[in-house]
Amino acid sequence: DVKVTQSSRYLVKRTGEKVFLECVQDMDHENMFWYRQDPGLGLRLIYFSYDVKMKEKGDIPEGYSVSREKKERFSLILESASTNQTSMYLCASNGLALASGSSYEQYFGPGTRLTVT
Amino acid sequence: DQQVKQNSPSLSVQEGRISILNCDYTNSMFDYFLWYKKYPAEGPTFLISISSIKDKNEDGRFTVFLNKSAKHLSLHIVPSQPGDSAVYFCAALSGNTGKLIFGQGTTLQVKP
Repeated sequence: DVKVTQSSRYLVKRTGEKVFLECVQDMDHENMFWYRQDPGLGLRLIYFSYDVKMKEKGDIPEGYSVSREKKERFSLILESASTNQTSMYLCASNGLALASGSSYEQYFGPGTRLTVT
Repeated sequence: DQQVKQNSPSLSVQEGRISILNCDYTNSMFDYFLWYKKYPAEGPTFLISISSIKDKNEDGRFTVFLNKSAKHLSLHIVPSQPGDSAVYFCAALSGNTGKLIFGQGTTLQVKP
């Protein structure tokens, strides 16, 4: 059974603080993703990584950075938290979408509700 | 530029009736689509998917229909149950990196 875990379920930080959100998956997946979910906007991709030390910007990378030093771990960093980064953050992973018959399904963690005051 | 759109933010149906959730896309290169279900304070969970070589895929109470010419897909839930009340997201596979593009979501409420 695939498991994606996130370091915190709820987090409250002050404006200007540096924030680390950690994500770990246990399925040896190549791809990992960070999204934020806001009402009416769906899931928006912040960054993704298709291999260790590789990263690609998603649709809304501004104000965020990521780190992937090990295959199973993908970290999202808010360099200087701002109130407009208050959101639900979701991590996901999937394997290589190459084989015929692959489901391409992404497996999600439980999410981190971040509040920046 | 929203490539995957769910134009209905919410839907309310009676228990036992059919729920139909709709999704439109703009990129004709998309060839694989997925539906996810999300409860509050939980991550989304995969529900059902469809490849563009098919026009229908069924799994129990859930059926996804794909109309490629209209760039439209729909999720049918029959019969609807109160436990189906959740936010439903449709998603399209973009390229071959495993990246998904999600719609805005539709909140389904099934009333007992």
